[in-house]
Amino acid sequence: DAKTTQPPSMDCAEGRAANLPCNHSTISGNEYVYWYRQIHSQGPQYIIHGLKNNETNEMASLIITEDRKSSTLILPHATLRDTAVYYCIVRVDSWGKLQFGAGTQVVVTP
Amino acid sequence: DTGVSQNPRHKITKRGQNVTFRCDPISEHNRLYWYRQTLGQGPEFLTYFQNEAQLEKSRLLSDRFSAERPKGSFSTLEIQRTEQGDSAMYLCASSLALGGGSHEQFFGPGTRLTVL
Repeated sequence: DAKTTQPPSMDCAEGRAANLPCNHSTISGNEYVYWYRQIHSQGPQYIIHGLKNNETNEMASLIITEDRKSSTLILPHATLRDTAVYYCIVRVDSWGKLQFGAGTQVVVTP
Repeated sequence: DTGVSQNPRHKITKRGQNVTFRCDPISEHNRLYWYRQTLGQGPEFLTYFQNEAQLEKSRLLSDRFSAERPKGSFSTLEIQRTEQGDSAMYLCASSLALGGGSHEQFFGPGTRLTVL
């Protein structure tokens, strides 16, 4: 049973911001939101995670709505190397298993 | 390179044969995870270890599958009597699960299994 809903695909122009939505309407109060991405033929790569507050690191920003039922991953200046499948995951145990859905295939075009 | 390594990268076998994959985690990472990924799908959790103890197994891990992590370092995943449905990418990840530590799992490049 999927805990998150993401669009199957989206395109983004190189140099522009990519905004990736994720719906997690059944999230519990102690569940974190994680984002990973998987570039073709590679293992998944951690991007960012958050609980309630918005978070930013060198790769991306994570915006979580006040009711925590949805979030948006923002890649501020997309490059061709950002073409990948992006996974939004909710989890309670910070060090336990990851439950991946189908993710969003992001294609960055020149 | 001190990342997670997996061997072999590719394995082709005939149905009914046994195969074994190896994962070397990042040094000193105490948690090690195995996932399986089929084409077009996200990775599916199989099992994970904390040090040498196997803490959780998915129902996907049938009795033909066995994983070990002797001495809490590298891990092996063995599939006995392979079936065509076992064809997939097998991914290994590791993390350092300590208070205040990173929540991040670091993934290896995977072993692609093809069962003919």
